[in-house]
Amino acid sequence: KAGVTQTPRYLIKTRGQQVTLSCSPISGHRSVSWYQQTPGQGLQFLFEYFSETQRNKGNFPGRFSGRQFSNSRSEMNVSTLELGDSALYLCASSFQEPGFLQYFGPGTRLTVT
Amino acid sequence: EDKVVQSPLSLVVHEGDTVTLNCSYEVTNFRSLLWYKQEKKAPTFLFMLTSSGIEKKSGRLSSILDKKELFSILNITATQTGDSAIYLCAVEKSIQGAQKLVFGQGTRLTINP
Repeated sequence: KAGVTQTPRYLIKTRGQQVTLSCSPISGHRSVSWYQQTPGQGLQFLFEYFSETQRNKGNFPGRFSGRQFSNSRSEMNVSTLELGDSALYLCASSFQEPGFLQYFGPGTRLTVT
Repeated sequence: EDKVVQSPLSLVVHEGDTVTLNCSYEVTNFRSLLWYKQEKKAPTFLFMLTSSGIEKKSGRLSSILDKKELFSILNITATQTGDSAIYLCAVEKSIQGAQKLVFGQGTRLTINP
């Protein structure tokens, strides 16, 4: 069974631009969560989607948004990029309900210059 | 505010040594505590702990949870250079049916030959 895939793997953007990252969950998984990982803050929860609905959101500004499609694939968007948005963005999928294990994708390394 | 604290943040030992990594937490609606190993990009799952006092083992790795004192430890015996990684502790919480992981900062473990 294929794992969680994320595209692109690496991205370089300039301040002020916007970016869209994509995540394809493991087949059959309907919950997709997004995390931001930085050296200073560690792994921080962005949001979680289930059946195209955002069920949970972390403490990030409105510039960070996401959505989930009917096939469970998810995208996250960051508008008006800032230098501090440089990070590894990880997506994780799980089967359905809390208590099911989350499997992580390889991440997208975003660098904002 | 939910908090997961890992210690030490960094550890350097020699091959063959035994290490103990610590994770303490203050998280509402606790469901489980998870340990992940992160070598390059995607964190890979090690253990999920839900009950106090029950040790989980996988080869040279073991972990235990104390829900009264709100901490967990991860032990690695007879360390090898391949154990060098960041070890992440995460607490899963349930919020209105949604799933969220709260991560610690991670412990960067370096095993020298």
